[in-house]
Amino acid sequence: KQEVTQIPAALSVPEGENLVLNCSFTDSAIYNLQWFRQDPGKGLTSLLLIQSSQREQTSGRLNASLDKSSGRSTLYIAASQPGDSATYLCAVRPPQGAQKLVFGQGTRLTINP
Amino acid sequence: KAGVTQTPRYLIKTRGQQVTLSCSPISGHRSVSWYQQTPGQGLQFLFEYFSETQRNKGNFPGRFSGRQFSNSRSEMNVSTLELGDSALYLCASSSGQETDTQYFGPGTRLTVL
Repeated sequence: KQEVTQIPAALSVPEGENLVLNCSFTDSAIYNLQWFRQDPGKGLTSLLLIQSSQREQTSGRLNASLDKSSGRSTLYIAASQPGDSATYLCAVRPPQGAQKLVFGQGTRLTINP
Repeated sequence: KAGVTQTPRYLIKTRGQQVTLSCSPISGHRSVSWYQQTPGQGLQFLFEYFSETQRNKGNFPGRFSGRQFSNSRSEMNVSTLELGDSALYLCASSSGQETDTQYFGPGTRLTVL
């Protein structure tokens, strides 16, 4: 059974810092891995999608990497801003299960001005 | 393109009642997945519909059911509500391909009293 873990559960950093969020998964057999952002009480916003054959994806100040063999992904946020404060979730798509995503519990990020 | 829409946004019900939630996917998307989000369990997959057929199902009791219409809109029904059904219910839309990004709606907040 696929399990996804995100550490730390919460992170607080001053504005301007570069930071890394971690995601690990137990089964390396995945179609892809997706990073999401969730603001309090809101839905999920897709940030980056990495296919199993890819090593990384970039969008603006965000960079996500994937090491399937070790079951790890990282989300790098450069020059953090207060508007980046949110919960960040990673999710993997197992090969059996169509559109089913298996989520981690998330990292709650606070950027202090 | 318009995003994923969910109605209603908020619902308050009492134990024993039933409830129906609605999700309209992004135009052209044929897959709709449903998730339950609670503070204790995080995000859990309920089921997925593709072209009016349930393609995958999570580990939820039979009180949770769904359907999809020919225009890809989907409804989720919960019968005999329990206090533990209080949650944010999210739907996700995609084209249905395993490599595709899933796009989430804003969610329906269900409170069971």
